[in-house]
Amino acid sequence: GQNIDQPTEMTATEGAIVQINCTYQTSGFNGLFWYQQHAGEAPTFLSYNVLDGLEEKGRFSSFLSRSKGYSYLLLKELQMKDSASYLCAVRDSYGGATNKLIFGTGTLLAVQP
Amino acid sequence: KAGVTQTPRYLIKTRGQQVTLSCSPISGHRSVSWYQQTPGQGLQFLFEYFSETQRNKGNFPGRFSGRQFSNSRSEMNVSTLELGDSALYLCASSLGGKTDTQYFGPGTRLTVL
Repeated sequence: GQNIDQPTEMTATEGAIVQINCTYQTSGFNGLFWYQQHAGEAPTFLSYNVLDGLEEKGRFSSFLSRSKGYSYLLLKELQMKDSASYLCAVRDSYGGATNKLIFGTGTLLAVQP
Repeated sequence: KAGVTQTPRYLIKTRGQQVTLSCSPISGHRSVSWYQQTPGQGLQFLFEYFSETQRNKGNFPGRFSGRQFSNSRSEMNVSTLELGDSALYLCASSLGGKTDTQYFGPGTRLTVL
């Protein structure tokens, strides 16, 4: 079956670091995405991991372990504008699927002053 | 480069009616994927079109259909609307390869009364 798990909600303080975890069990795997979605807006692309290891992009980093079915998104120097929902998505490769993304239900992050 | 555009942004329909949503991808992108987002289920894959052909399909009833035109613009149709079809419908475009990133449009908010 297809299953992606992330915490429903998290709270952190402005200026701090927060790690959002994602575990997955899918029939096929061809990369893992993280998207940010502010309320009422479209998801915006943050990162893409297809190989094991850490990808760093400014204040955001994403890690992948394919053997463990595990990823995390690390946000540093948190700002109030980082308050949003963070979506973990696996690109399914089962049956040759190319652009089918399977999403977790998202983690709602609240950044407090 | 202009982003993904979707029209209309908001739509109110009654049960039994049908609706057509439109998506214009980023210039040069040949793949368009459609997703349904609801509070309870999160983002769920509907289907993907590439070069005017449906390449992948999710687990939705046949009332949900789509098509893609030669200029890569895509439409999604829902017939015999049900209350449960109320959702945010998002389209995402990409170049179409197995490692390409999907970029989302702002979505169409459909309310079925």
